[in-house]
Amino acid sequence: LAKTTQPISMDSYEGQEVNITCSHNNIATNDYITWYQQFPSQGPRFIIQGYKTKVTNEVASLFIPADRKSSTLSLPRVSLSDTAVYYCLVDSGSARQLTFGSGTQLTVLP
Amino acid sequence: EAGVAQSPRYKIIEKRQSVAFWCNPISGHATLYWYQQILGQGPKLLIQFQNNGVVDDSQLPKDRFSAERLKGVDSTLKIQPAKLEDSAVYLCASRTGASDTQYFGPGTRLTVL
Repeated sequence: LAKTTQPISMDSYEGQEVNITCSHNNIATNDYITWYQQFPSQGPRFIIQGYKTKVTNEVASLFIPADRKSSTLSLPRVSLSDTAVYYCLVDSGSARQLTFGSGTQLTVLP
Repeated sequence: EAGVAQSPRYKIIEKRQSVAFWCNPISGHATLYWYQQILGQGPKLLIQFQNNGVVDDSQLPKDRFSAERLKGVDSTLKIQPAKLEDSAVYLCASRTGASDTQYFGPGTRLTVL
């Protein structure tokens, strides 16, 4: 079972780039790495998913080194509305692998 | 595209009572999940359905929890009888395939008194 480890919390200021790293030492060949964002009283919302190297979409980038034992979510120019809990999930589509960690509470300050 | 729907949004019951939650996944999504999220923790998977069959329920406390997905669309999760430690948000998620992302509903917040 691929467990994930993330920092418990991070603070940043508006306009800065934020990088949140997740370690997943036991990742398997078929596993994808997916990041979710969760606001209070809402379900998690998909941000980005990747398998290796770098993936970029309109809201974030995901960097995955060759050994795939870690990944870094990069949020460019954060705003106050990016204050949320961010979860890294190693996902093979199998229920047995779907383990969310405790997430990283990101607080964006003015 | 409509999202994952869940009801009720909030429920308060006393311990030893029964409760049921309902989930309507995104149309066409064959895979459905139920998660339990205790305050301050990440979601914990309870059960996974593929169409109307159970793929994995190894983390479902089967002495009190049950779930079904009749006709491979809507799903219900039941707790009978409830305990104080069942107080949590119950999240439903769906996806089309293994490499697709999960789409989560807003959750049902259960308080057991």
